[in-house]
Amino acid sequence: DIQMAQSPSSLSASVADRVTITCRASQSISNYLNWYQQKPGKAPKLLIYAASTLQSGVPSRFSGSGSGTDFTLTISSLQPEDFATYYCQQSYSTPRTFGQGTKVEIK
Amino acid sequence: QITLKESGPTLVKPTQTLTLTCTFSGFSLSTSGVGVGWIRQPPGKALDWLALIYWDDDKRYSPSLKSRLTITKDTSKNQVVLTMTNMDPVDTATYYCAHSDSTGWEYFDYWGQGTLVTVSS
Repeated sequence: DIQMAQSPSSLSASVADRVTITCRASQSISNYLNWYQQKPGKAPKLLIYAASTLQSGVPSRFSGSGSGTDFTLTISSLQPEDFATYYCQQSYSTPRTFGQGTKVEIK
Repeated sequence: QITLKESGPTLVKPTQTLTLTCTFSGFSLSTSGVGVGWIRQPPGKALDWLALIYWDDDKRYSPSLKSRLTITKDTSKNQVVLTMTNMDPVDTATYYCAHSDSTGWEYFDYWGQGTLVTVSS
């Protein structure tokens, strides 16, 4: 299985802060990397696929980059509705593993 | 508009078999590139990918659970069924089904609301 390691596991930030979350794959996955946002009690929501392609309807303050084994999700200016847990997922091989999540909390 | 909804028991006993049904609308599982997957999430923990079935009936399973899982589709009913045998308390989780766009890069773009399954005697 390909292991996906996210860092940090949690972070505290203020509204308008720039936030970066890192995801590292245990082997190269090209750009087969997705990012999801999950709020408490809700299903995950797709933010980015193919490492850097913004899903339709997702605000442009979200961006993704990377290829191979190292990827980042950046929120350019954190908004109140962005406080949530974020997961990366690889779709390069079976099982399509998820990272352990990064919880973004209010400072 | 694509929607998915999970249904099944909320409580199962250890060693029993769990059967979950995902009923969807707004797409056809006979359309090239479409898939439906199952993902679970134990309380307070991360997402765990379980299985995926594609429009052409190709099936993929998590290797660690493959011996316990079966995924099937009924295109005429717009349903996907996941069975998991020999349930254990560690299988307690919210189970989600999700629509997969696998035409290029594969991702889950629509999710059901999830159903909490508790395994307890």
